[in-house]
Amino acid sequence: RKEVEQDPGPFNVPEGATVAFNCTYSNSASQSFFWYRQDCRKEPKLLMSVYSSGNEDGRFTAQLNRASQYISLLIRDSKLSDSATYLCVVNIPTGRRALTFGSGTRLQVQP
Amino acid sequence: DADVTQTPRNRITKTGKRIMLECSQTKGHDRMYWYRQDPGLGLRLIYYSFDVKDINKGEISDGYSVSRQAQAKFSLSLESAIPNQTALYFCATSDLSHGSDTDTQYFGPGTRLTVL
Repeated sequence: RKEVEQDPGPFNVPEGATVAFNCTYSNSASQSFFWYRQDCRKEPKLLMSVYSSGNEDGRFTAQLNRASQYISLLIRDSKLSDSATYLCVVNIPTGRRALTFGSGTRLQVQP
Repeated sequence: DADVTQTPRNRITKTGKRIMLECSQTKGHDRMYWYRQDPGLGLRLIYYSFDVKDINKGEISDGYSVSRQAQAKFSLSLESAIPNQTALYFCATSDLSHGSDTDTQYFGPGTRLTVL
């Protein structure tokens, strides 16, 4: 089983739609969770951290479910500019703090 | 100006050649990382360094070596390049020195390496 798993997509949605991605992680001791965004052929950039209580940043909402070991990202009112690959990132506690990246979920927002 | 820079941005080389990829940062971060990205596999950690005297292997270090010349510089070497090292390579930095429990990473623009 992969340490961090994501549906690769693509998710094709019309502008204005609401779309949600899930990501599962295997290590129950993981403490830090993030969503990164990566545009085609560009570097990943932090979109948002995921806190236990959930957090919201404008049209983006992230949730953590420790019992089921998954995190989610909800995008409301999708824009064309939201088209990108969304990477789920989890710290795997092995005595050293290093992050593990999922392979990403591709989102294509269509006009 | 970019906080994390990588050189070169693109490189085509032949099997058996020695290649060095360089990374510099102006963020003042202690921690630096090298990843490779392949289609469908996501980012995989090659090496990481938590300070100048601390170098650690990641999950796919075979065939690679690194040097942390200074806090701001972390280079990745392929001693004898092979075609399956063709990939997009990213350098990243992070900073936990202020007691944060998060580890936000800041990436350079990437180096696209092709080994023929």
